[in-house]
Parts: sequence; structure tokens; C-alpha cells
Amino acid sequence: DAGVTQSPTHLIKTRGQHVTLRCSPISGHKSVSWYQQVLGQGPQFIFQYYEKEERGRGNFPDRFSARQFPNYSSELNVNALLLGDSALYLCASRPPGLGTDTQYFGPGTRLTVL
Amino acid sequence: AQTVTQSQPEMSVQEAETVTLSCTYDTSESNYYLFWYKQPPSRQMILVIRQEAYKQQNATENRFSVNFQKAAKSFSLKISDSQLGDTAMYFCAFMRASAPGNTPLVFGKGTRLSVIA
Repeated sequence: DAGVTQSPTHLIKTRGQHVTLRCSPISGHKSVSWYQQVLGQGPQFIFQYYEKEERGRGNFPDRFSARQFPNYSSELNVNALLLGDSALYLCASRPPGLGTDTQYFGPGTRLTVL
Repeated sequence: AQTVTQSQPEMSVQEAETVTLSCTYDTSESNYYLFWYKQPPSRQMILVIRQEAYKQQNATENRFSVNFQKAAKSFSLKISDSQLGDTAMYFCAFMRASAPGNTPLVFGKGTRLSVIA
């Protein structure tokens, strides 16, 4: 089975622009989470979606938004980009059911804001 | 709020030797999961090992094992017979046990491990 996929791999934007990152979970997984990993740090939680509803949100400004589609793929949108938004953005999916705790990560999208 | 602390920013080990990476965490939860993830230069976050807090027995996956001390809130990773391919950033992570879909991972800052030939 294919793993979690993310697109694009790399992205360069300028301050003030908007960006959309995409994620496709592992087949059968209904939960998708987004994390931001700044260079030299551990990933920080941004959003979690389950069954197309937002189930959790980290400490990020309203410039960050996300959604999940009926096929469980997801988009992360960031408006009015700042230099500090430069990071690796990771998507993770998780299988359904009680006791399914392990999240499986995609390869990430490297965003550079100039 | 939960926090995860990895006190060793960098470590190195000779090939075929054993190394232990440290992790401590802070939580008031009684039921949770702990993970070690590996992130090589390719950036892909790969699960190494997981531990359920209600299980006394330490988890083991081939050359990887953990020392889980619940009372001390400690969760160290031991890598035996280190291989060059083990060179990577290692992240310790915590997750509350709850209904599916609303429990994010909380990560430490990572330990950069270099395996030397």
C-alpha cells in the first residue's frame, strides 16, 4: 500500500503570499494531522481532522487553516506568509478504530518564505 | 499541558556499539502512549518503537528497545549493534490516550545521532 503522500515537495514563496499544501492519507485512514517543523526543532501540532471535521488545533494564528475532503485527503492553507513560516510541513494519518494510536508521516513539504 | 524533554542534542556512537538516548516527559494523564521516531536526512519521519503506558513490559523491536519508567516519567531508547543507517535525528513523542481523531503528538526537540564507522 502507498504511504502518506504530500505535494509539493518544495515550495518557495515571498512574504504576504498565500500557500496551499496537500496531503493524501494511507488508504483506509480517516484521521489527518498537520505539523510544522522548524529547522532544528521537533514538529509542532497545527491541526487534526477526523471524518472531515476539525478535532484539534494547536497554538497557531488564524492565518493557518485546513480542511479535509470526502476522500479524506487534506489541504493546509497559510495566508499572509511571514518569514517565520519557513519550515517543513508534515502530514500524518492514523487508522480508524479504538486503540489505533500510531501516526504515519508523509515526506513533508519544505516551504521557504523569502 | 504535556511536555517532552530530550536533554542530549547530539550523540555519537561507534558502529556495532550500543547507545542510549534519553527522554523525560511531564503529564498528569494516567493513560498514554510514548513513541520514538527517527528522521534521517531524507526527512521522512519513521516510527521506531511505541510503548503503551499501561503495559509494564518494555517494548522491543529488533535492535531497538526502551526503558520505560512510569513513576519517573522516563522513556529512554537503546540501540544495540549500531549501524551506519541509524544515523538520524531521533524524536521522543507523547500522545494522550483518547477517542480516535483528537490526540496530537507532542514531540521533544530531538537528539542527533551519528554512527561512526
